[in-house]
Amino acid sequence: SQQGEEDPQALSIQEGENATMNCSYKTSINNLQWYRQNSGRGLVHLILIRSNEREKHSGRLRVTLDTSKKSSSLLITASRAADTASYFCATDASNTGKLIFGQGTTLQVKP
Amino acid sequence: NAGVTQTPKFRVLKTGQSMTLLCAQDMNHEYMYWYRQDPGMGLRLIHYSVGEGTTAKGEVPDGYNVSRLKKQNFLLGLESAAPSQTSVYFCASSYGQGETQYFGPGTRLLVL
Repeated sequence: SQQGEEDPQALSIQEGENATMNCSYKTSINNLQWYRQNSGRGLVHLILIRSNEREKHSGRLRVTLDTSKKSSSLLITASRAADTASYFCATDASNTGKLIFGQGTTLQVKP
Repeated sequence: NAGVTQTPKFRVLKTGQSMTLLCAQDMNHEYMYWYRQDPGMGLRLIHYSVGEGTTAKGEVPDGYNVSRLKKQNFLLGLESAAPSQTSVYFCASSYGQGETQYFGPGTRLLVL
């Protein structure tokens, strides 16, 4: 079964709006990562947040982690058409050494 | 730095044929991974390697074999291709366990 589950599955917004994607997971983790995938391309790492961190920023990206609720959110502020992509969370479950990916959120930003 | 490269980019096979997908990385990473991506299924780990000469099974290893004879290369083999193996295959590498993974551009495989 999937460790990470993203919500929503699809999101469509206007340029300039904020986009929020959520990820829930089942077991304890060492870290949680977010990746972006443009259509037909490989995944690109966006941000890694460790289990002892609660919030992390990178440019227009803000990631939060709530280990008590086993959930994370990715916020993209002031979205651009170029942000159109699929976004995946991946968890490094404790002591496995492997990343488990969720099914992704497809984001469409309309110009 | 080329990062992670994969060959070929696209391949069509007939059922029962064999092929090898090649992944190469120039970042001196210890860990390497093979995933497959199917619509609505996210990425699923096929096999991975924690160093030269080592391999381990992932979530969906059946029908695939791998080898890591050199640190920079990770090969994925299909001995007898089946239509269920039609997918996009991604290779990735990382410096250490659970760390950021760097992905190749993918190989699209169609098995008829």
